[in-house]
Amino acid sequence: AQSVTQLDSQVPVFEEAPVELRCNYSSSVSVYLFWYVQYPNQGLQLLLKYLSGSTLVKGINGFEAEFNKSQTSFHLRKPSVHISDTAEYFCAVSGSGGTSYGKLTFGQGTILTVHP
Amino acid sequence: DSGVTQTPKHLITATGQRVTLRCSPRSGDLSVYWYQQSLDQGLQFLIQYYNGEERAKGNILERFSAQQFPDLHSELNLSSLELGDSALYFCASSPRGVHGYTFGSGTRLTVV
Repeated sequence: AQSVTQLDSQVPVFEEAPVELRCNYSSSVSVYLFWYVQYPNQGLQLLLKYLSGSTLVKGINGFEAEFNKSQTSFHLRKPSVHISDTAEYFCAVSGSGGTSYGKLTFGQGTILTVHP
Repeated sequence: DSGVTQTPKHLITATGQRVTLRCSPRSGDLSVYWYQQSLDQGLQFLIQYYNGEERAKGNILERFSAQQFPDLHSELNLSSLELGDSALYFCASSPRGVHGYTFGSGTRLTVV
């Protein structure tokens, strides 16, 4: 079984400042890791994913995340945020095989609010 | 438009009633997943179908059931509804596994 902990429920930040949204996971098997974004009254949009290979993953809208196996973390970063980045962000994990393959376990979400 | 279509977008119904939520996956996707998003439980996996067969089950109540039809659309049936069933229900589809997961915009269910 997997679990995900998003360490901050809310992150306020000023426009053009850098931001980091923190995510730790727990799993007894190898994992795939994901970040999704949810804008108000909308569905979930995939920002980026780590399946294998390079631990630094680049996604859409200038976001990137780094997979750290020893610290079981997958933090999301953006060097300069915009007002339009205001949304809720979800970290998710899936087992890379077996019975946990195919289903996502989500964290509780982090609300990012970008102030002008 | 993600290509995953969910209907209806909003649904208001009374306790004890039964509703059906519908999901049409992206063209060519064989897997359909259902998730529930509520304020107290967050996003939770309910059930997965692959090409008409149930593949995985999560925290799905016995009052809930789902199926995937030969044309690959899926329906989630919720019965004996309770106030606590009020939530956003998302459907997602992928060709296989989690590599290409695409979510629909959800059905917001309100039980009164």
